Amino acid sequence: AQSVTQPDIHITVSEGASLELRCNYSYGATPYLFWYVQSPGQGLQLLLKYFSGDTLVQGIKGFEAEFKRSQSSFNLRKPSVHWSDAAEYFCAVGLNYGGATNKLIFGTGTLLAVQP
Amino acid sequence: DTAVSQTPKYLVTQMGNDKSIKCEQNLGHDTMYWYKQDSKKFLKIMFSYNNKELIINETVPNRFSPKSPDKAHLNLHINSLELGDSAVYFCASSQELAGQTGTQYFGPGTRLTVL
Repeated sequence: AQSVTQPDIHITVSEGASLELRCNYSYGATPYLFWYVQSPGQGLQLLLKYFSGDTLVQGIKGFEAEFKRSQSSFNLRKPSVHWSDAAEYFCAVGLNYGGATNKLIFGTGTLLAVQP
Repeated sequence: DTAVSQTPKYLVTQMGNDKSIKCEQNLGHDTMYWYKQDSKKFLKIMFSYNNKELIINETVPNRFSPKSPDKAHLNLHINSLELGDSAVYFCASSQELAGQTGTQYFGPGTRLTVL
């Protein structure tokens, strides 16, 4: 069955430090992969997505993610974290239903705290 | 302009009541969804509609009845509310193409509290 694992429930980094959030997926075909961010009390905002092509994808707010098929991973990175990046981050794999719809399978999320 | 909007943002009600949540998208997408986020922040799909037709129904209790009057609207009606229905409900929309997976855009969520 398809699944997404985010091994880190909670991460704390200092402002200005680099960040890597881990995501592993289980899916038989070429995956469509997404990272979303949820700020406290807010909805989900798309950070970036991978469909095909270049395995390093750039997103909004200075985030990037690298798709590694051999490791079934899609880790999210940022070179220098800002206090406003404190939020919950969700990795997801998208399952296509023949052009009518798709279904996102989400990981359990990683809560990022940023300390001054 | 808000792309995916939901009303209300907060909903507090008693057990046994019936309530509805409304969702509208102005992105011109063909497909809309309802997701439930539980107290542990876990997100799970409930339903999806494509052009007003139900496509995905993820073994949700039949007290939950989605309705799509047109492809820009997807409402969620919940009968006989239970304590376990307390959650944040997110609406989303996407534009699907054959052979591809569309990007889902989410609304701000509706926090439902059942007392």
